[in-house]
Amino acid sequence: DQQVKQNSPSLSVQEGRISILNCDYTNSMFDYFLWYKKYPAEGPTFLISISSIKDKNEDGRFTVFLNKSAKHLSLHIVPSQPGDSAVYFCAASEKGGSEKLVFGKGTKLTVNP
Amino acid sequence: DGGITQSPKYLFRKEGQNVTLSCEQNLNHDAMYWYRQDPGQGLRLIYYSQIVNDFQKGDIAEGYSVSREKKESFPLTVTSAQKNPTAFYLCASSRWTGRTSGQPYEQYFGPGTRLTVT
Repeated sequence: DQQVKQNSPSLSVQEGRISILNCDYTNSMFDYFLWYKKYPAEGPTFLISISSIKDKNEDGRFTVFLNKSAKHLSLHIVPSQPGDSAVYFCAASEKGGSEKLVFGKGTKLTVNP
Repeated sequence: DGGITQSPKYLFRKEGQNVTLSCEQNLNHDAMYWYRQDPGQGLRLIYYSQIVNDFQKGDIAEGYSVSREKKESFPLTVTSAQKNPTAFYLCASSRWTGRTSGQPYEQYFGPGTRLTVT
């Protein structure tokens, strides 16, 4: 039973435009949400996170929005660059669950020049 | 340079053989993790260890075994009991707080080992 869902397997955007990657979750005990970026044949790298007590967190071109009532979060990348082309994983951490993470299936982002 | 190394990058084995994947970290992290990634799938947790000589099953531990004799090392053995062993295996490490609140520490991932069993 998937607790973290990324329903779009892929997304294609033009360079300079906004990329919006979505993630839904079912477990109300999740209190931290993280986004990881992964290039082929490499390990994921941490991108940005958000606490469940916030609704927005920004880091440069990356912004994560959290809608707790809808159990939905999104990652916005503005402006998108070709180097952003990668698979993006949404992950969640349960309150009291220490560093264990539950990952979604990922969304492959392609930014076209 | 601090980081996580996994070796080898590609591994081929015959069905019925056990195989051990290596994971070493020099980040002085307490916790280490093994994940499996299949095409179109997210990362699924196989085993994790919070401290030397202790480890816990993750979501898909059947057919796998681990050991944690040293803080730096967390090898994973894929046994012949694992029904679908062909996959991309990722090792990660992090600090460990046993947190009840606050942001979880970032997990740092190794480059992965692609295991093919035929």
